[in-house]
Amino acid sequence: NAGVTQTPKFQVLKTGQSMTLQCAQDMNHEYMSWYRQDPGMGLRLIHYSVGAGITDQGEVPNGYNVSRSTTEDFPLRLLSAAPSQTSVYFCASSRLTGIGGENTIYFGEGSWLTVV
Amino acid sequence: AQSVAQPEDQVNVAEGNPLTVKCTYSVSGNPYLFWYVQYPNRGLQFLLKYITGDNLVKGSYGFEAEFNKSQTSFHLKKPSALVSDSALYFCAVRDQRIGGNMLTFGGGTRLMVKP
Repeated sequence: NAGVTQTPKFQVLKTGQSMTLQCAQDMNHEYMSWYRQDPGMGLRLIHYSVGAGITDQGEVPNGYNVSRSTTEDFPLRLLSAAPSQTSVYFCASSRLTGIGGENTIYFGEGSWLTVV
Repeated sequence: AQSVAQPEDQVNVAEGNPLTVKCTYSVSGNPYLFWYVQYPNRGLQFLLKYITGDNLVKGSYGFEAEFNKSQTSFHLKKPSALVSDSALYFCAVRDQRIGGNMLTFGGGTRLMVKP
């Protein structure tokens, strides 16, 4: 009963390095998203996807890329890491809902990223 | 646009006392409201949600929340706090009129329960 799995859990990067945060879900959810969590700011949406081959920007997309080649996987790429990207990153998934519909969103355990 | 406010950065309560964590929201239409909890170095765990119906919603670990439409609030409550309830709590909202699953989160409230 894995749910949403994120790797790595902890990572330290140097400024300018690139890396990919992995996210996988085994619930056949159409909707997947990435949030970042910063103190006092709650969670802010970076990118989301409503199905394989479809992605879109959230509130804070700059500096990040995503792709959705399969239903299960939704990796987040940092192209050139900056200290401002030091944060905790959460992947989430749920069934896709239309207008008036509701589905609980499930979160991964988080990835703690430090950029020095 | 939708927004959530959690006016208290931290709430301190003694074990055995009742606790309240406050949340107010703003949406154009009717809201879906959620509470999540985050324990240290862990992900967010779903506590409870309000969709429609009874204004008092019961959730996991003995928590409940009361939806108040006139005050646009969704405060989290528990009759008797435990030390193990100490964690970071997030309120979130989604406008029912909008399809998709994007939640807007409050800034979080740290709950400290002292023995």
